[in-house]
Amino acid sequence: NAGVMQNPRHLVRRRGQEARLRCSPMKGHSHVYWYRQLPEEGLKFMVYLQKENIIDESGMPKERFSAEFPKEGPSILRIQQVVRGDSAAYFCASSPGDNYGYTFGSGTRLTVV
Amino acid sequence: DAKTTQPPSMDCAEGRAANLPCNHSTISGNEYVYWYRQIHSQGPQYIIHGLKNNETNEMASLIITEDRKSSTLILPHATLRDTAVYYCIVRPQTDKLIFGTGTRLQVF
Repeated sequence: NAGVMQNPRHLVRRRGQEARLRCSPMKGHSHVYWYRQLPEEGLKFMVYLQKENIIDESGMPKERFSAEFPKEGPSILRIQQVVRGDSAAYFCASSPGDNYGYTFGSGTRLTVV
Repeated sequence: DAKTTQPPSMDCAEGRAANLPCNHSTISGNEYVYWYRQIHSQGPQYIIHGLKNNETNEMASLIITEDRKSSTLILPHATLRDTAVYYCIVRPQTDKLIFGTGTRLQVF
């Protein structure tokens, strides 16, 4: 039973490019969460999704960031026109439902040059 | 927005028990106490959670005071691989996990 799979593990983008981060939840998990961790800081909640629905996006920046979890395929966190301040580790987690612990992936480390 | 207070850092000798405290004096009746840890820059790892009873699993024990205003995570025999940042999180039943700054545990 594979864990939460995130890819790529490392992503380098130039300022102004787009970054696409993918997350495949554990089998049987219908809830996906995205977190961001800036260097030397804690994890910050970004967005919570279920299949085809955004449930809570209170932590998402208002511009340039979007997330989806389609009926088929992985969840995608998309960052348009990246800036240096977007450089961070982005972690995805999944759970089978409410009141369950989350299983986290290994993260995608985004570097904007 | 974290509802918990943890010491920023602690040390523990290898083989000894590591007792990590957490204060959550404003906890509500339907909120659970969760513990996670993050080893270096890896993804956070679930350790244990509880509502009001003490809990134990293969990794750790969770002791929650009777008034639920504080708890202690116990790693019974700490090893070097337990060096990590430990997060105590108070979470309503259907809400998301909000991470604070945690306790950096150094096992020596």
